[in-house]
Amino acid sequence: AQKVTQAQTEISVVEKEDVTLDCVYETRDTTYYLFWYKQPPSGELVFLIRRNSFDEQNEISGRYSWNFQKSTSSFNFTITASQVVDSAVYFCALSEADRDDKIIFGKGTRLHILP
Amino acid sequence: KAGVTQTPRYLIKTRGQQVTLSCSPISGHRSVSWYQQTPGQGLQFLFEYFSETQRNKGNFPGRFSGRQFSNSRSEMNVSTLELGDSALYLCASSVTRGISYEQYFGPGTRLTVT
Repeated sequence: AQKVTQAQTEISVVEKEDVTLDCVYETRDTTYYLFWYKQPPSGELVFLIRRNSFDEQNEISGRYSWNFQKSTSSFNFTITASQVVDSAVYFCALSEADRDDKIIFGKGTRLHILP
Repeated sequence: KAGVTQTPRYLIKTRGQQVTLSCSPISGHRSVSWYQQTPGQGLQFLFEYFSETQRNKGNFPGRFSGRQFSNSRSEMNVSTLELGDSALYLCASSVTRGISYEQYFGPGTRLTVT
């Protein structure tokens, strides 16, 4: 069964701290995509990354980095030197390419960056 | 370049009515997808259109339908509205260029069913 688990419902860190958001997924397929999205208080969803299941290289984009580990079915997201503007709800998602690309979202992690 | 636009931004309807939401993608994007977000169910995928064809569909009843026009603009329709259809409906357009993938969301339409 296809499933995405974000065990951390809410996290609070002080500005400039590093923070990692966990994402664990379940899938029977060998071909799939993993996503991360950000939803700031304004409500508009922002696409952050899409990773193909065959590409296990870690990705870094500025202060953001993603660690994809197939062995543990995890796709974790780290924000380095967090800023108040990083406060948002972050969603991890899974799309199974062999199952009509239906995308399943995790419940989200609400991140508070305290000044 | 203009972003994804959704109209209307807010809508109040009565149970049993139907509603049509509109989404205009970023110019050049041929894929449009729709999502429903509610406090109880979270984010759920509705459907995706590509070049006027429905490519994928989520687990929603037949009351939810959509279409895409030749200019890539998309509409989604919900018939016989139920209270549980109250939600934020998000539209996104995307483009794949080689291994690169970009997706942009509109501001959403907040539908309230009374």
